[in-house]
Amino acid sequence: EAGVTQSPTHLIKTRGQQATLRCSPISGHTSVYWYQQALGLGLQFLLWYDEGEERNRGNFPPRFSGRQFPNYSSELNVNALELEDSALYLCASSWGGGSYGYTFGSGTRLTVV
Amino acid sequence: GQQLNQSPQSMFIQEGEDVSMNCTSSSIFNTWLWYKQDPGEGPVLLIALYKAGELTSNGRLTAQFGITRKDSFLNISASIPSDVGIYFCAGQGGSEKLVFGKGTKLTVNP
Repeated sequence: EAGVTQSPTHLIKTRGQQATLRCSPISGHTSVYWYQQALGLGLQFLLWYDEGEERNRGNFPPRFSGRQFPNYSSELNVNALELEDSALYLCASSWGGGSYGYTFGSGTRLTVV
Repeated sequence: GQQLNQSPQSMFIQEGEDVSMNCTSSSIFNTWLWYKQDPGEGPVLLIALYKAGELTSNGRLTAQFGITRKDSFLNISASIPSDVGIYFCAGQGGSEKLVFGKGTKLTVNP
């Protein structure tokens, strides 16, 4: 069974540009979560999508947005990139409410120069 | 909102030593989970706990769901170099999303 896949693995953008990150959940998982991890520190919650709807949003500015498609895959868009947006962006998926845990992808390393 | 206090923030130990880390919360959780993140990778689930007082082992790892449902600990026995990484606790109350601790960074000296 394929795990959670994220693309691209690495992304280099210039300040002010837009970045699009993609995530394919495990087959059968309907929820997708996005996290930002800067400098190997803690996991900062960004967004939670379930059945195509945004269920919860973390404390991030509106230029961080996303969506979930009918096949449950998801993309995260970051507009007007700032240097401090450089981080590892992790996607996770779960079945139902996630009480059996989330399965994480390997992440997209975004570098803003 | 719900928060988890994870400690210690970092640990530097010698190979062969035992390790203990814990998480506490002011809120009650129905589920406690422990994850490990290797450098450059996503976190991987190590142990899941679903009942107050539950003690579960996975090889050299042992975790417990606190009786009060507000805490959990993870022990690693006889540490080896590949135990290096960041360990995260996570809790869930009801149908809300998981709440993650800030992580414990473990360094093992050979």
